[in-house]
Amino acid sequence: DADVTQTPRNRITKTGKRIMLECSQTKGHDRMYWYRQDPGLGLRLIYYSFDVKDINKGEISDGYSVSRQAQAKFSLSLESAIPNQTALYFCATQSSAVETQYFGPGTRLLVL
Amino acid sequence: KQEVTQIPAALSVPEGENLVLNCSFTDSAIYNLQWFRQDPGKGLTSLLLIQSSQREQTSGRLNASLDKSSGRSTLYIAASQPGDSATYLCAIGNTGFQKLVFGTGTRLLVSP
Repeated sequence: DADVTQTPRNRITKTGKRIMLECSQTKGHDRMYWYRQDPGLGLRLIYYSFDVKDINKGEISDGYSVSRQAQAKFSLSLESAIPNQTALYFCATQSSAVETQYFGPGTRLLVL
Repeated sequence: KQEVTQIPAALSVPEGENLVLNCSFTDSAIYNLQWFRQDPGKGLTSLLLIQSSQREQTSGRLNASLDKSSGRSTLYIAASQPGDSATYLCAIGNTGFQKLVFGTGTRLLVSP
């Protein structure tokens, strides 16, 4: 089983809809991250969390919110989706003891 | 603001060739630099991490170098194989908290 899982893997939604992307990990890591990837722009950080009670905005947090329900779960919500949120979304985890981040397989989101 | 550039954007080589991927960054005050591999549908996998105090790291056929003063890193792949085909991303860690800044990647195709 994968250590970092993301659901759904693919999602098509319409403008104005609320959607949630979920991330779960079995690695026991305390730090979790959400990134989006757009062609030609690389990965950009949306939100990150170092602990269940810790939430921090990243480079491009506008239009997004997150919830850290447990150490193993970190959800990303789009309250009212818009077409320029069409992208590939990645969740990542990291132990505070090491510097490598471990990525999930990604969720491909299309907003019509 | 740290900016990370990778050239070339795409590279196609025959199997067996040695090749070099380039990464440049604008702010030399980095904490570390990582090279990742991205395969379609599988997320990112960390290949090598170089601390700011180090000059290079090696893993198997991969060797990554770091020159902070010139703002450059290279990933050398020896004796390339078709299985090396993927997108390679470099990422700068600007603090110990690992808020990574990613480059746009180099898409590598190794032909049999």
